[in-house]
Amino acid sequence: GENVEQHPSTLSVQEGDSAVIKCTYSDSASNYFPWYKQELGKRPQLIIDIRSNVGEKKDQRIAVTLNKTAKHFSLHITETQPEDSAVYFCAASVYNNNDMRFGAGTRLTVKP
Amino acid sequence: DGGITQSPKYLFRKEGQNVTLSCEQNLNHDAMYWYRQDPGQGLRLIYYSQIVNDFQKGDIAEGYSVSREKKESFPLTVTSAQKNPTAFYLCASSTTGGKDEQFFGPGTRLTVL
Repeated sequence: GENVEQHPSTLSVQEGDSAVIKCTYSDSASNYFPWYKQELGKRPQLIIDIRSNVGEKKDQRIAVTLNKTAKHFSLHITETQPEDSAVYFCAASVYNNNDMRFGAGTRLTVKP
Repeated sequence: DGGITQSPKYLFRKEGQNVTLSCEQNLNHDAMYWYRQDPGQGLRLIYYSQIVNDFQKGDIAEGYSVSREKKESFPLTVTSAQKNPTAFYLCASSTTGGKDEQFFGPGTRLTVL
C-alpha cells in the first residue's frame, strides 16, 4: 500500500518568511495529492490539492509542487502570518480510489 | 464546517468495555472514513466505506469494527481487543467521484481508564 513520509515534523519561521514542507510517497499509481491544515482543537480542512497531470498549483500565498519522477511533492507558504500556525498534513491517493494515506504532519509556528 | 457530525466530543470508558463512536453526514457522500490521530503520527486509517453495506480495513483495523447500514451513518466500535484505545478519532466523508476532498467531523476524544 501507499506510504507517505513528511518532513520536517516541526517548523518555526518568522512572520513574513517562507515555509516549505516536503512529502514523499511510495505508490507510483498515486495521482491525487491534497494538503490539509488543522488548527489547534479544530478539524483538518483542505487548503490546496494537486493532480498528477500538473507540476505546480498556486492559490494566493500557497503553492504546491509535484515531481512524479522522484515521487515527492511540497507545500510552499509565502509571506507567512501568525494565523498560518497549525499542523499541516500531506496525503496521497489514487484519484477516485477513496483510499487516502496521510503523512505524519508538520507543526508550523509563525512567530510575530 | 457543517455537514458531518461526531458525538460525543469526549468519551470516557473503563478498560474492557466496548464503546461506539457516532458519525453522521448529510452531504450525500458515498464514501466515509475513520481515522485515529495520535501525537506525532498523523492520521491513520482504521476503516473506510465506499458504499452502503460495504467497508474495507485500513492500516490499523485490529480491535475496531464498523457498519454501514445507511448512507448517512458510519459508526465505529472500539472493542476490548484494541490494546491502546485512548486517542482522538476523526470521521470523514467524500464523494466517490469528482474532487475527492475529504470533509472531516469535529472528532471524538476517547479516554479509556
